[in-house]
Amino acid sequence: DARVTQTPRHKVTEMGQEVTMRCQPILGHNTVFWYRQTMMQGLELLAYFRNRAPLDDSGMPKDRFSAEMPDATLATLKIQPSEPRDSAVYFCASGLVRTSGYNEQFFGPGTRLTVL
Amino acid sequence: AQTVTQSQPEMSVQEAETVTLSCTYDTSESDYYLFWYKQPPSRQMILVIRQEAYKQQNATENRFSVNFQKAAKSFSLKISDSQLGDAAMYFCAYKNYGGSQGNLIFGKGTKLSVKP
Repeated sequence: DARVTQTPRHKVTEMGQEVTMRCQPILGHNTVFWYRQTMMQGLELLAYFRNRAPLDDSGMPKDRFSAEMPDATLATLKIQPSEPRDSAVYFCASGLVRTSGYNEQFFGPGTRLTVL
Repeated sequence: AQTVTQSQPEMSVQEAETVTLSCTYDTSESDYYLFWYKQPPSRQMILVIRQEAYKQQNATENRFSVNFQKAAKSFSLKISDSQLGDAAMYFCAYKNYGGSQGNLIFGKGTKLSVKP
């Protein structure tokens, strides 16, 4: 049963600390998305990768956020330094994008981040 | 830029009754996808139903059906024979057709309560 996994599921940290969230996409998928969910903003795209290359990271605060795909089985989202306003649920999703046709995005369970 | 609007923050339905959740969107594209996602308290994002804009026929999945009005840019979800397990947040989402812009654009969500 292929699924997207995310670690950690919950993270509580203090302001100023570094936070790293990890995502393992479904094997064979070539696209990975990072979304953030807050009560105020809802679900919004932070960044996404195609074949490990960043295609769009315009939704991500560049001064403190960074996203990478060290290899095809791992995507990371890092916040340094973290701030209370970063408290949210961070979702990773993966999909297999072809030149045409429908491609479903499969979501991971999310990482709930609380920054005190 | 595309936008998705869900004007009902909360809805309530009696078990076994029918409820309709509203969604409108804005886009200048002619080809795109529309989705309804369910998010139960577990936070997992679950795809409920999708609609391709080029298809005139409304999509159906068991008790779930949509009313897609392309000219009006409206995409409502009807849940028939509501069950207690249908209680969740429901998100309407949009995606451009084709692989170049693969991310989902979400509405703010509608919280559905089901009364026994």
